[in-house]
Parts: sequence; structure tokens; C-alpha cells
Amino acid sequence: DTAVSQTPKYLVTQMGNDKSIKCEQNLGHDTMYWYKQDSKKFLKIMFSYNNKELIINETVPNRFSPKSPDKAHLNLHINSLELGDSAVYFCASSQNPGLQGGQQFFGPGTRLTVL
Amino acid sequence: KQEVTQIPAALSVPEGENLVLNCSFTDSAIYNLQWFRQDPGKGLTSLLLIQSSQREQTSGRLNASLDKSSGRSTLYIAASQPGDSATYLCAVPTGNQFYFGTGTSLTVIP
Repeated sequence: DTAVSQTPKYLVTQMGNDKSIKCEQNLGHDTMYWYKQDSKKFLKIMFSYNNKELIINETVPNRFSPKSPDKAHLNLHINSLELGDSAVYFCASSQNPGLQGGQQFFGPGTRLTVL
Repeated sequence: KQEVTQIPAALSVPEGENLVLNCSFTDSAIYNLQWFRQDPGKGLTSLLLIQSSQREQTSGRLNASLDKSSGRSTLYIAASQPGDSATYLCAVPTGNQFYFGTGTSLTVIP
């Protein structure tokens, strides 16, 4: 039973397209996150939602829009994809809100390649 | 701004050896510190979490220590196995960010 799942695992698309990445967690956690891991392997937080409400919104282009239909799902929609968006995107969840909320559980990642 | 450094960047050891991975951070105002492993092409697996008030956490062959005042944490792996080969990352939430180190790539040679 996968705790945090993401789809798709790989995504190859052309510049200018719009794409979505889906994330689901079956841990009953209240908080979910999106991270971007760049080519240098640094992971940077992008967004965090607690009970469907946005609580962390780091400085990312407004082409990135998270959507949380319920607390078990946090999807990431990206408009007008650019070459620099190529990265691995990780979804995560934790029981409590905020980054001090304890252990975070990560999904397998989505490798996005923009051509 | 928090900076997280991991040394060494890569480590290769024969099976059965005990080893230590190091993590240092510049801002001691952390809530906790978490150790992860990342396998090639895969996600992050949480190994241990140490709260800022704790000094140590153990899970099986893994032992993580935290010295908040000096900004250091170590991950001790006992009796290493080939299956331990992976990249190990430490991460510290500080303020509104979750700062990850660049990782230590571990190879355990059978």
C-alpha cells in the first residue's frame, strides 16, 4: 500500500504546454507539500496545504497553481511550461501543519522534462 | 538563511563496516532534523526524525545524533550492507522552509 503516490512518474512535454501532476496520500495526514528538486539535487519547498487551505507559498512563478480538492489530494498544475521547469517534483505529507509538524513522508517523485 | 552541508559527498565502504555521515547547519533555530535516503530514480524514504529537544534517535542499525548548539548531526550506520547503498540526505525545517543538504552518496561494496 503506497502511502504517498504521484502520477505520472515521468512527464515529457513541449515548452508552452500546460500539464498537471497529481498527488494522493492515504496516511490520513492533514498537511501536504510540493517540493522541487533541481539538477543540483537541492529540494526546495514550493507550497503547503493544511486541510485544503494554503499555508505556505514560496516564491514560485504564478504559472504554478496547486489545487487541493480534499485533504488527501494535492495536485500541481503548471501553465506555459518553460525549459527551466525541468526537475523532479516531490509531493509529501505530514500529520501536523507547518514544517515543524514532524516527520514528512514523500512520494516517489515526478520527473518533468520540458523540451 | 539556513545552509545545510553534508560531508563527505560520496563514500565507498566494504560490507560490514560501521560508518558515519555528517550534516551541519548554520542556523540552530530548528524544529527538528530529519534523515532521508534516496534511491536512484526513486523518492525519499524517511529514516529518522530528531526533535530539537532530543539528542539521539535509533532505528535498527541506524543511530542519529543531534547537537543543536554546534549545528551538527551525525547518522551512524552499523554493520553496513549492500542494500544500504543510496544517497542520504539530512533536512531541517527553519522558519517557513525545509532546507535539505546536498546528500552523501553511499556505496557499500559486497
